[in-house]
Order: sequence, then C-alpha cells, then structure tokens
Amino acid sequence: GAGVSQSPSNKVTEKGKDVELRCDPISGHTALYWYRQSLGQGLEFLIYFQGNSAPDKSGLPSDRFSAERTGGSVSTLTIQRTQQEDSAVYLCASSLNSGSYEQYFGPGTRLTVT
Amino acid sequence: KQEVTQIPAALSVPEGENLVLNCSFTDSAIYNLQWFRQDPGKGLTSLLLIQSSQREQTSGRLNASLDKSSGRSTLYIAASQPGDSATYLCAAYTDYGGSQGNLIFGKGTKLSVKP
Repeated sequence: GAGVSQSPSNKVTEKGKDVELRCDPISGHTALYWYRQSLGQGLEFLIYFQGNSAPDKSGLPSDRFSAERTGGSVSTLTIQRTQQEDSAVYLCASSLNSGSYEQYFGPGTRLTVT
Repeated sequence: KQEVTQIPAALSVPEGENLVLNCSFTDSAIYNLQWFRQDPGKGLTSLLLIQSSQREQTSGRLNASLDKSSGRSTLYIAASQPGDSATYLCAAYTDYGGSQGNLIFGKGTKLSVKP
C-alpha cells in the first residue's frame, strides 16, 4: 500500500517568508509525528498528533512553528517568518497508534532558507 | 530527559565482515527501540522494532538486541555487503506520560562497506 508522502520534496524560500509543508500519513494511522533533521542537531522531534487529542507541541523550537491535522489525516507544518537556521529536512512519520507501534517515515521536505 | 548515543560515529569495513553497531540510552522507560537506515538524501527506512518486553529481533542478516536494564541496544550485521553502506540510526520511543511520547534519535553511525 501507499506509504507516507510529503510535499514539496524541496523548498527554497527567502528569509522572512512563510512556508507550508504537507504530510499525508498512511491510511488508518491515528498517530502522526513531525521531526526535523539538521546537520548540527541530528534528528529532533517537533510535534505529535494522536487521534482527536490535543497535540504534543513540546518539541516546537519557537512560536513561529505551528502544525495542524485536519480530519485526523493530512497534516500541515507551517513556519512563519523563516530564518536561515530553519534550513533542514522536515520528516513526517505515522504509526497505527501511539506507544509501541512502529513509525513509518516519509521521504522528507528539504527546506532551504536563503 | 532521554539521551540516545551511538558509537561509533563512522565505520569502514571490508565486504564480508560481521559488524556491530552500538546504541545506548539514559532512560529505561521506553516503549520500544527502532533501528533505521538512511541513505544519502533519502528518508528513513525502518529495519527492526524491538518492543520493551522483547530481547531481540531478527530480519535476514540483521539482528538487534535490547537490554533495558543497562540501557543498551546493538545492531548486528552479518556478512556485510557494499549495499549496506548507509547511516544507521537508533531511536527510543520514550513515554513522558499523558499524551506525550516520541522517538528520541541518536546521531547515527555512518557505515561504509568496501568491495
């Protein structure tokens, strides 16, 4: 079946612009995660959605970052007033449920802020 | 706060060797531990998932073990091949209670298998 998909695959934006990154999880997966992978920091957790519960936003680095998940499926990560340090690969993952279930990752969106 | 460490950061071996990648974590309150492979410019491919109640998992030439009490996991690759060259990441799913929980990643071991 179809895996996790993300769009766009690459995004180049100017400093100060807003960007939206999209994630389509595997159908039927109730848990969705956003991670960021940058050269200096490795892979770090950003935000987590589980069903209709309030999201866990504890990993968001600043209030310029936000995410939503509509209808328990597609998720959008929004970065406002982008900065050069936001340049990274943004990875989305989904799992059947939270906790002990395997996470499946999408191919990522490579964001470059110039 | 959970910290995951992987040793070595890089490893170069000749084809055919058996090798071990190490992963350690500081908080034993984990739900599971996953090993991933990442090829340059690509996303993560899940290799093995070990539940917290399990000791090991095997898939083909790969075997992963988990020792929660010592906070360690190892990934064993038998008869390595050039196609195994990639970065290997381990990640511990840590439960912080309530609705909080996520994978904490190590920084990876970059493996190069020479023909």
